[in-house]
Amino acid sequence: SQKIEQNSEALNIQEGKTATLTCNYTNYSPAYLQWYRQDPGRGPVFLLLIRENEKEKRKERLKVTFDTTLKQSLFHITASQPADSATYLCALDGEYGNKLVFGAGTILRVKS
Amino acid sequence: KAGVTQTPRYLIKTRGQQVTLSCSPISGHRSVSWYQQTPGQGLQFLFEYFSETQRNKGNFPGRFSGRQFSNSRSEMNVSTLELGDSALYLCASSLAGRQYDEQFFGPGTRLTVL
Repeated sequence: SQKIEQNSEALNIQEGKTATLTCNYTNYSPAYLQWYRQDPGRGPVFLLLIRENEKEKRKERLKVTFDTTLKQSLFHITASQPADSATYLCALDGEYGNKLVFGAGTILRVKS
Repeated sequence: KAGVTQTPRYLIKTRGQQVTLSCSPISGHRSVSWYQQTPGQGLQFLFEYFSETQRNKGNFPGRFSGRQFSNSRSEMNVSTLELGDSALYLCASSLAGRQYDEQFFGPGTRLTVL
């Protein structure tokens, strides 16, 4: 069955630096990969979607890459701010039917 | 446009009881999905409803069931509650539940089973 791995340890970075989060997957070739942000006690919020035929996608300070050969997506936040501190989840379309399969998430802490 | 709403926000039940959770999707959205989130297992897909029909189902026992009404509002029911059912239950709505549709999540219902 499909498996998604995200950095299990929290990522601590200094304000102004670029945060890079990793999402690796196995046993499947998704057509779409999505990134969500989740704050404590709240539901995830959609950030970006990238398709298998797209190498890179940007939205303001966010950038996502999708390498189908490496089976990996990288999520970058440039000029990070303390307000960017949250858990970031990657999700890919399920192997069977329309459902999202989520990774465990990576906690990002941006210190001022 | 109002977001996805879930009721109740918090619930405490005892083992063996049953519970019904409610989700109102964004107006115009026809697909509603339910997820269970726990610290150990993360976010796991329960099922998806589209136009009152269950279209996809995750790997959960039959104690977990759901339905969708003609106005797209959805309910999920858990019968014979177990301690392990304690979790944050999230519903998400999207326009049509296509793989590339953005999903909008509600704030969740925090269920505690004692």
